[in-house]
Amino acid sequence: AQKITQTQPGMFVQEKEAVTLDCTYDTSDPSYGLFWYKQPSSGEMIFLIYQGSYDQQNATEGRYSLNFQKARKSANLVISASQLGDSAMYFCAMKEKTSYDKVIFGPGTSLSVIP
Amino acid sequence: KAGVTQTPRYLIKTRGQQVTLSCSPISGHRSVSWYQQTPGQGLQFLFEYFSETQRNKGNFPGRFSGRQFSNSRSEMNVSTLELGDSALYLCASSLDPTGQRGETQYFGPGTRLLVL
Repeated sequence: AQKITQTQPGMFVQEKEAVTLDCTYDTSDPSYGLFWYKQPSSGEMIFLIYQGSYDQQNATEGRYSLNFQKARKSANLVISASQLGDSAMYFCAMKEKTSYDKVIFGPGTSLSVIP
Repeated sequence: KAGVTQTPRYLIKTRGQQVTLSCSPISGHRSVSWYQQTPGQGLQFLFEYFSETQRNKGNFPGRFSGRQFSNSRSEMNVSTLELGDSALYLCASSLDPTGQRGETQYFGPGTRLLVL
């Protein structure tokens, strides 16, 4: 069964520093996609980055990069040069190809950026 | 291009009532999914519609139902509301969930439902 684990309920980072948010997943489907979303206090889920299970290179989107270690079933999000606006909940999520659009989310990590 | 819109944004109901939430996907998107978010259970998948057909359903009681119209707009209905149904209900749309890159879901702002 699909499962997403985020072991860091809360994290603090100094402004302008880099931070890594951990995510491990479990699936038996060889074809899947991994996502990271950001949810500010307003509630809206904002898509950050996507990594496909067959992608050879780690995904990057601006200040966001995904450290994908397939054998370890790990998909950590790295945020470089943290900004105050990065303070939010961050969710790791997975979708198996056979599950159409059913996305399973992890419990989330609350990130606080300190000035 | 306009994003996913959800109406209403806030709703207060009493136990036993029913409620209908609406979601308009991004133009051209054909798949619409619904999620319930609560502090205790986190984000849970409710169901997914594609071309007016429900293709996936989460582990929720039959009081939760949905439908999709020919223009891809979707509604979800909760009958006989319970206190535990208080949550943020999020709708997401994607272009083609079977696409090669798995197609990303884009979320609306959500509807906050409070059941008294």
